[in-house]
Amino acid sequence: AQSVAQPEDQVNVAEGNPLTVKCTYSVSGNPYLFWYVQYPNRGLQFLLKYITGDNLVKGSYGFEAEFNKSQTSFHLKKPSALVSDSALYFCAVRVPNNAGNMLTFGGGTRLMVKP
Amino acid sequence: DGGITQSPKYLFRKEGQNVTLSCEQNLNHDAMYWYRQDPGQGLRLIYYSQIVNDFQKGDIAEGYSVSREKKESFPLTVTSAQKNPTAFYLCASVVGARAFFGQGTRLTVV
Repeated sequence: AQSVAQPEDQVNVAEGNPLTVKCTYSVSGNPYLFWYVQYPNRGLQFLLKYITGDNLVKGSYGFEAEFNKSQTSFHLKKPSALVSDSALYFCAVRVPNNAGNMLTFGGGTRLMVKP
Repeated sequence: DGGITQSPKYLFRKEGQNVTLSCEQNLNHDAMYWYRQDPGQGLRLIYYSQIVNDFQKGDIAEGYSVSREKKESFPLTVTSAQKNPTAFYLCASVVGARAFFGQGTRLTVV
């Protein structure tokens, strides 16, 4: 079984400061890892993914994530937070060729960026 | 995300009623999924379909039903057997390593 943990329900950061949203995963096999962002009453928007290759992945809106196989982590980062980054962030994992190609999501982390 | 259309955006259901949530995609994707989102919780998989005329139960299928008669359409019916249906429902389609989501339907029991 595959699972994803986002240990922080909420992350607070001041505008202009760096932000990190944590994600750890548990899978059998090599994972595909994803970050999605959700604004109120909207669907999920894709931010970035890790499939293979360079452990540092760059995505939309200046976000990046670092894949760490030994720590089974895929933390989301941004060097300088914006108020408009405030949203709900989901980490997800999928194992290639698993039954149904299902994405398993973490519980979500609410990011609050204060002016 | 473009290409996945969910309707309606808001839906109200009376106790004991069945309601159907629509999900349509024009991305020509084979795989489609329904997730439920509750406050403070992540997305939980209700049903998924990898090809037309085939679908599988996810983690929380009880009280729900689906059909996949056309590649473009994957409607979800919330039946009266679902005891706590108030939630935000998200439809997604998947191709390769990427999922595309609709804008969601917020279902409220009144």
